Amino acid sequence: EPEVTQTPSHQVTQMGQEVILRCVPISNHLYFYWYRQILGQKVEFLVSFYNNEISEKSEIFDDQFSVERPDGSNFTLKIRSTKLEDSAMYFCAIQGRLAMNTEAFFGQGTRLTVV
Amino acid sequence: AQRVTQPEKLLSVFKGAPVELKCNYSYSGSPELFWYVQYSRQRLQLLLRHISRESIKGFTADLNKGETSFHLKKPFAQEEDSAMYYCALSAAAGNKLTFGGGTRVLVKP
Repeated sequence: EPEVTQTPSHQVTQMGQEVILRCVPISNHLYFYWYRQILGQKVEFLVSFYNNEISEKSEIFDDQFSVERPDGSNFTLKIRSTKLEDSAMYFCAIQGRLAMNTEAFFGQGTRLTVV
Repeated sequence: AQRVTQPEKLLSVFKGAPVELKCNYSYSGSPELFWYVQYSRQRLQLLLRHISRESIKGFTADLNKGETSFHLKKPFAQEEDSAMYYCALSAAAGNKLTFGGGTRVLVKP
């Protein structure tokens, strides 16, 4: 099973600060995703990334959010100016190796707390 | 629009009893359906998907297109089955997953 490592495991930040969440997928995959889960709510799709560009994004993914894969391995989610309501678990997922397998492999998540 | 509904937030059963987790979906095309499981302090992991039609850890799920359901069943629950279970839908390979709200299963000894 492909391994997906997310750092940090827990981030506490002040409202208005920028945060960068990192995801390191071990092995080559085609699709990269960010999801989030606010405490007590559903796991929600944020954005998908394919061939070095955003392929789909949700309404949640506004101008405060950005993603990139700067060095071909790390996959990052940046929140420019955090709000209290950004507090959530953020999950990175990878999918679709060479055979376009639909199974998504998730990281262990980053808990973001905005104070 | 894609939607997945899991009506039960919590299912509590005794060890050895059957367990069924309900999942209903809404999608106009032919989706792929999945069950993901999250054990305590672990990551989300795929339990099974409808296209493979296999039994994993004693769990099975049948896609009923007429009822738009993909209920998860296990005839004899074990304590190690205690976890959060999420039903999810994908329109096609490489597409996002839409999750249900999750069902917490507690298997009592």
